[in-house]
Amino acid sequence: DAGVIQSPRHEVTEMGQEVTLRCKPISGHNSLFWYRQTMMRGLELLIYFNNNVPIDDSGMPEDRFSAKMPNASFSTLKIQPSEPRDSAVYFCASSSRQGLGTEAFFGQGTRLTVV
Amino acid sequence: AQKVTQAQTEISVVEKEDVTLDCVYETRDTTYYLFWYKQPPSGELVFLIRRNSFDEQNEISGRYSWNFQKSTSSFNFTITASQVVDSAVYFCALSEPPGGTSYGKLTFGQGTILTVHP
Repeated sequence: DAGVIQSPRHEVTEMGQEVTLRCKPISGHNSLFWYRQTMMRGLELLIYFNNNVPIDDSGMPEDRFSAKMPNASFSTLKIQPSEPRDSAVYFCASSSRQGLGTEAFFGQGTRLTVV
Repeated sequence: AQKVTQAQTEISVVEKEDVTLDCVYETRDTTYYLFWYKQPPSGELVFLIRRNSFDEQNEISGRYSWNFQKSTSSFNFTITASQVVDSAVYFCALSEPPGGTSYGKLTFGQGTILTVHP
């Protein structure tokens, strides 16, 4: 299996622009997570999908952030409009709810820089 | 609320030394899962181990070993005979119990930066 695939790996954009991050989870996994990593706040969960349905979006910082999962093999995280404080590494992870205690597998992350 | 504390921000050792990374957690759940992840300089997060709250057996995998003590809410990670390739940021994490709608969410500690010098 190719693992969790994220694109792009790096994104540099100007303040005010729309940014879309993409994620393809591991085939067969039915849970998908978006995390953000910054020096100040560490790794924090933004939103969590189960069977393509958003379960918990309490970590989404504000209305500028939105996430979708139109099918089991694709998810997007959109920031509109972007701001410099959104600069971070965004990770997508997936796991299977089959059985107990399955771990989350992470993609390689998207490093976002907003200038 | 769940919380994970990794008190050691940075650790520096010389190759072949043993090193222990501490992890203390807080949760109201009686069933939960604990994890360790490694983040090498390349940036990806690599899963190392999962431990169930009802299984306090220590685990060894090659040079890696984990000591889970429920009585002290600790899940410490030891690398024996460290190598330069072990240099990375190591994260301890806690997940909510299975069965709930939020199962699978990870609460991470702040991470410990391990540098192994040749």
